[in-house]
Amino acid sequence: AQSVTQLDSHVSVSEGTPVLLRCNYSSSYSPSLFWYVQHPNKGLQLLLKYTSAATLVKGINGFEAEFKKSETSFHLTKPSAHMSDAAEYFCVVRRVNRDDKIIFGKGTRLHILP
Amino acid sequence: GAGVSQSPSNKVTEKGKDVELRCDPISGHTALYWYRQSLGQGLEFLIYFQGNSAPDKSGLPSDRFSAERTGGSVSTLTIQRTQQEDSAVYLCASSLGGGDTQYFGPGTRLTVL
Repeated sequence: AQSVTQLDSHVSVSEGTPVLLRCNYSSSYSPSLFWYVQHPNKGLQLLLKYTSAATLVKGINGFEAEFKKSETSFHLTKPSAHMSDAAEYFCVVRRVNRDDKIIFGKGTRLHILP
Repeated sequence: GAGVSQSPSNKVTEKGKDVELRCDPISGHTALYWYRQSLGQGLEFLIYFQGNSAPDKSGLPSDRFSAERTGGSVSTLTIQRTQQEDSAVYLCASSLGGGDTQYFGPGTRLTVL
């Protein structure tokens, strides 16, 4: 069985400070992991993905995430928040078996304070 | 290149009516997913098509919901006898294979009055 937990439903940070969005997963097998972003009134966009290559994954807009098997985590980080980062972020897990459906976390809404 | 498209972009209907939502995936993508996102909620998986395999319907909330994928391409999500709780944004995504990156359409916003 697989599951994904986004530990915070809302995160607020000041512009220019670091961002940390937390995600823990549960998977019986080696997972593929993704982060998606959804800006208001826009479709989902892939930020980055982990598929058993390098454990530190760099994505678009300065975001990165580190796969930590020992902690079953895939937290999303960014060194310095920008106002345009305000959006909802979804962590996604999928078993590395092509026939499996994927599991979305409930999302974390990121607020950027001026 | 062309992405995933969905139509209509907005649909307002009366309670009890049937609605059809359409998804055109990226050409060549064998996997197609339907999700919905209710106000303030995360994404909810509905159904998954992969090639010629039987679809995974485990996410459909009731027998009022059904979906088809014709010729391995276009998909239609049908909701019969709509209820107010069906109001949501319905998102379609496609991927090259079942485990690959999904590309999302812009969604259809369904409002049931």
